[in-house]
Amino acid sequence: SFELTQPPSVSVSPGQTATITCSGDKLGDKYASWYQQRPGQSPVLVISHDSQRPSGIPERFSGSNSGNTATLTISGTQAMDEADYYCQAWDSNSAVFGAGTTVTVL
Amino acid sequence: QLQVQESGPGLVKPWETLSLTCTVSGYTIRSGYYWGWIRQPPGKGLEWIGSASHIGTTDYSPSLNSRVTISLDTSKNQVSLKLTSVTAADTAVYFCARHVRDFVVNWFDPWGQGTLVTVSS
Repeated sequence: SFELTQPPSVSVSPGQTATITCSGDKLGDKYASWYQQRPGQSPVLVISHDSQRPSGIPERFSGSNSGNTATLTISGTQAMDEADYYCQAWDSNSAVFGAGTTVTVL
Repeated sequence: QLQVQESGPGLVKPWETLSLTCTVSGYTIRSGYYWGWIRQPPGKGLEWIGSASHIGTTDYSPSLNSRVTISLDTSKNQVSLKLTSVTAADTAVYFCARHVRDFVVNWFDPWGQGTLVTVSS
């Protein structure tokens, strides 16, 4: 079955760039979405369709997808960006989520 | 503004059926889109359960397919989830979300606040 692999954690200093990867077989042939989940809250879509930012999502969030890896980049990371981030794709009539990456802003 | 809200029992006994309802506001579900259920066991990641469309088509997670039913009640603008023969492994926060999908694109937005369901005798 199709699987998405994410690093368990990423640490970043305030103002620096956080890069979160999501790997899957030929993921670049599909479309990836990304969700932010702050502690105790529901997930929020931050990137759809590989790189599209929904209304209300800050410009510091960007995405790309090529080959076997999709990437979520947070530029100028702020303390409020500390959260779990999940990637998601669609394969064989099923939605698949990565296990999630905890972003810690030190 | 489209919003979704989950509701249902917070406690279900083992081997019984879990039943949840998602009430959609700000949009008439018979007009379009898919509507999905996703769950999150305590301290763990997200797991897609399944999705149903306004025309009655459904897709379910292969691991849950034999136990799950998702249906739409267009008269009440609600989406329901039924999961049979539950065990402690089904204890989770259950989320409802609009599932935007076509032949290529696929995402969930917005999500409800979630409802915790505990399976215990």
